[in-house]
Amino acid sequence: SQQGEEDPQALSIQEGENATMNCSYKTSINNLQWYRQNSGRGLVHLILIRSNEREKHSGRLRVTLDTSKKSSSLLITASRAADTASYFCATEYKAAGNKLTFGGGTRVLVKP
Amino acid sequence: DVKVTQSSRYLVKRTGEKVFLECVQDMDHENMFWYRQDPGLGLRLIYFSYDVKMKEKGDIPEGYSVSREKKERFSLILESASTNQTSMYLCASSYLGTFIISNQPQHFGDGTRLSIL
Repeated sequence: SQQGEEDPQALSIQEGENATMNCSYKTSINNLQWYRQNSGRGLVHLILIRSNEREKHSGRLRVTLDTSKKSSSLLITASRAADTASYFCATEYKAAGNKLTFGGGTRVLVKP
Repeated sequence: DVKVTQSSRYLVKRTGEKVFLECVQDMDHENMFWYRQDPGLGLRLIYFSYDVKMKEKGDIPEGYSVSREKKERFSLILESASTNQTSMYLCASSYLGTFIISNQPQHFGDGTRLSIL
């Protein structure tokens, strides 16, 4: 069963705007990861945040993790048309043995 | 850069055929994974392997088997293909970390879109 659930399922914004998507999970985790998938392609790893971390940045990406609420958010600032993709959160839950459980993804459309 | 290569981008097979999907990684990763991706269901783990000749079932192993004879290569086998196995198949690899905690990203191939007629 899916452990991570993204919200919203789809998002449409104008170029230059910020995009925020959220992920909730159900049990204790070692880390939470965000991936991007362009249409018809494989997933690309964006950021990994460990359970003892609260915030991480990478370029225009900002990820937060709230373990008390079992939730994470991904913020893309100053979006570009090239950011159009599906974004997935994935959790490595405790005792998972290196396995990840993926959510259903958020489809982001950035209009020029 | 890590490269995970899947042998075919598109594949069409017939019901009842034995189908082989091949995946090769060039980063000496211990872990390799096979997922299927279906609309509305996200990615679901079929099998994974943390060492040569080692394999573990994922969430949906029925109808599939795997082979890992060499560290860099992980094959997914559909023993007798059925139409409900039409899907996008994704291979991934990662470093092991420890058996309890990985804290490692996974690196994906471009996927094989498999159609079973």
